[in-house]
Amino acid sequence: EPEVTQTPSHQVTQMGQEVILRCVPISNHLYFYWYRQILGQKVEFLVSFYNNEISEKSEIFDDQFSVERPDGSNFTLKIRSTKLEDSAMYFCATLSSQGAIEQFFGPGTRLTVL
Amino acid sequence: DAKTTQPPSMDCAEGRAANLPCNHSTISGNEYVYWYRQIHSQGPQYIIHGLKNNETNEMASLIITEDRKSSTLILPHATLRDTAVYYCIVSHRVGGTSYGKLTFGQGTILTVHP
Repeated sequence: EPEVTQTPSHQVTQMGQEVILRCVPISNHLYFYWYRQILGQKVEFLVSFYNNEISEKSEIFDDQFSVERPDGSNFTLKIRSTKLEDSAMYFCATLSSQGAIEQFFGPGTRLTVL
Repeated sequence: DAKTTQPPSMDCAEGRAANLPCNHSTISGNEYVYWYRQIHSQGPQYIIHGLKNNETNEMASLIITEDRKSSTLILPHATLRDTAVYYCIVSHRVGGTSYGKLTFGQGTILTVHP
């Protein structure tokens, strides 16, 4: 069964450093998402990406964050100048097409900012 | 997107049916009810969805009241592996100006015990 993969599984970084979280979507899926989950809290939507541009973003997704599909396969989330409060699980999700229902989530990347 | 209300926790005996309620009194006519679950810290997993009719798949059944203001997810024969956080989400289907953002609440922690 096709699945969404994410790397790394765990990233430790120093406050102020830049991190890039990577996601390999399911082949031929057209819609891509990033969510985050701070430990003990609910899953929060960050951004959706379609047709090579951001389609929707939350208030959390400020100038510190950016997304791209640099090579048409990987879908990345970049966090510039990380803060302690960026420590969380980051989930990538993909959806096949317009009208599709099921978002497929990856296993997540645990980001720890020290 | 409409807000949902779920009990924070429920228990169920293994082999028995688990009935998880959800209130979504502000649901609009073209919003769907989705259920996802999250086992431990894994990525959320889609379970089932519905608009106004009851639905059943290999994982669960979804009962939606006639006024669509509430729904119940039924796991007919709960197993220990069904222990998870269950999220009821109301959202538009992807299309038009909707890009599939999922707004998670706190969900219901279902504990299945032997």
